[in-house]
Amino acid sequence: AQSVTQLGSHVSVSEGALVLLRCNYSSSVPPYLFWYVQYPNQGLQLLLKYTSAATLVKGINGFEAEFKKSETSFHLTKPSAHMSDAAEYFCAVTPGFGNEKLTFGTGTRLTIIP
Amino acid sequence: DAGVIQSPRHEVTEMGQEVTLRCKPISGHNSLFWYRQTMMRGLELLIYFNNNVPIDDSGMPEDRFSAKMPNASFSTLKIQPSEPRDSAVYFCASSLGDRFQPQHFGDGTRLSIL
Repeated sequence: AQSVTQLGSHVSVSEGALVLLRCNYSSSVPPYLFWYVQYPNQGLQLLLKYTSAATLVKGINGFEAEFKKSETSFHLTKPSAHMSDAAEYFCAVTPGFGNEKLTFGTGTRLTIIP
Repeated sequence: DAGVIQSPRHEVTEMGQEVTLRCKPISGHNSLFWYRQTMMRGLELLIYFNNNVPIDDSGMPEDRFSAKMPNASFSTLKIQPSEPRDSAVYFCASSLGDRFQPQHFGDGTRLSIL
């Protein structure tokens, strides 16, 4: 079985500051990991994914995440926050084999302070 | 390319009525997922299909819920009879059917049961 824990249901950062959203996973097999973003009244959009290639993954809109097996973490970062980054962010995990069900975290709402 | 299309976008109906939600996946995708999102429970997978066949329906709440996928380009989620606790945003997503491929989400149906 697999699960993800997102620390902090709400995160606020100033415009131009570093964004750090935390995700820890639990998986009995090597996982595939994803970050999705959800803007108001929209569905989820893929930001980036880790599928056992490079441990540092770059995504859209300047976001990146690093897979750290020793820490079972897949934290999302962006060097400089923009107002348009305000949204809800979800970390998700699926096992490296078996069915393709995604298990989502509870989400982190990111607020950008002008 | 057209994304995942869901209809209706909003539905308000009275308790006890039948509700049918519709989804058209991205052409060429062979996996389809139905999710429910609420403040209390977050994002829950209800059921998913692969090549039009239900693979995992363990998330379907109870017998009042049913889902069908009669062909590769159409799926329905039906609630009969509906109850106020079914009020939520229901998302449909599709993917290419490999666990390392991202799921593409529709914009959801906001369902309110009075």
